[in-house]
Amino acid sequence: DAGVTQSPTHLIKTRGQQVTLRCSPKSGHDTVSWYQQALGQGPQFIFQYYEEEERQRGNFPDRFSGHQFPNYSSELNVNALLLGDSALYLCASSRGQNNQPQHFGDGTRLSIL
Amino acid sequence: DAKTTQPPSMDCAEGRAANLPCNHSTISGNEYVYWYRQIHSQGPQYIIHGLKNNETNEMASLIITEDRKSSTLILPHATLRDTAVYYCIVRVTGGFKTIFGAGTRLFVKA
Repeated sequence: DAGVTQSPTHLIKTRGQQVTLRCSPKSGHDTVSWYQQALGQGPQFIFQYYEEEERQRGNFPDRFSGHQFPNYSSELNVNALLLGDSALYLCASSRGQNNQPQHFGDGTRLSIL
Repeated sequence: DAKTTQPPSMDCAEGRAANLPCNHSTISGNEYVYWYRQIHSQGPQYIIHGLKNNETNEMASLIITEDRKSSTLILPHATLRDTAVYYCIVRVTGGFKTIFGAGTRLFVKA
């Protein structure tokens, strides 16, 4: 049973560019959340997708956008990259809107030069 | 979602029980307590969660006080591989947002 998979594992971009990160949820999961984790800090919630809609959003600018596909996989898009966007981007999936725990992938390490 | 307070770091001897405390004094009646841990360069790993009763699984035990204002994660026999950052989180059932704090860095020493 595959867990949450993210691609790519590492990515290097330059300021001003755009990036797309991808996430496949754990089998049986239909809800996907995205987090940003800066070095030495806890993950910060970006947004969550359920039934192909963004359900709630953290304190992130509109440069951060996402999408969920009918097969429950998801993409995170970041436009106009800034140096401060360098971080580990984590995807988490869960089943339904209840107390079931989220399961995390190992993330995409994004470096902005 | 309620905030949590955890000590920044703790030490534990290998083979001994590790008891990690968490304060969540503003928790609401429908908020669950979740524990995750993160080993360097990996995503957070789910450990255990509970509402008001104590819970146990193959990894750990979760003790929640009667007033639900605090909880303790217990790793019964800590090993070197348990060295990680441990996060305590509270989240309402069906809640979308999960707020991580800084967590507790647990060092298990031989």
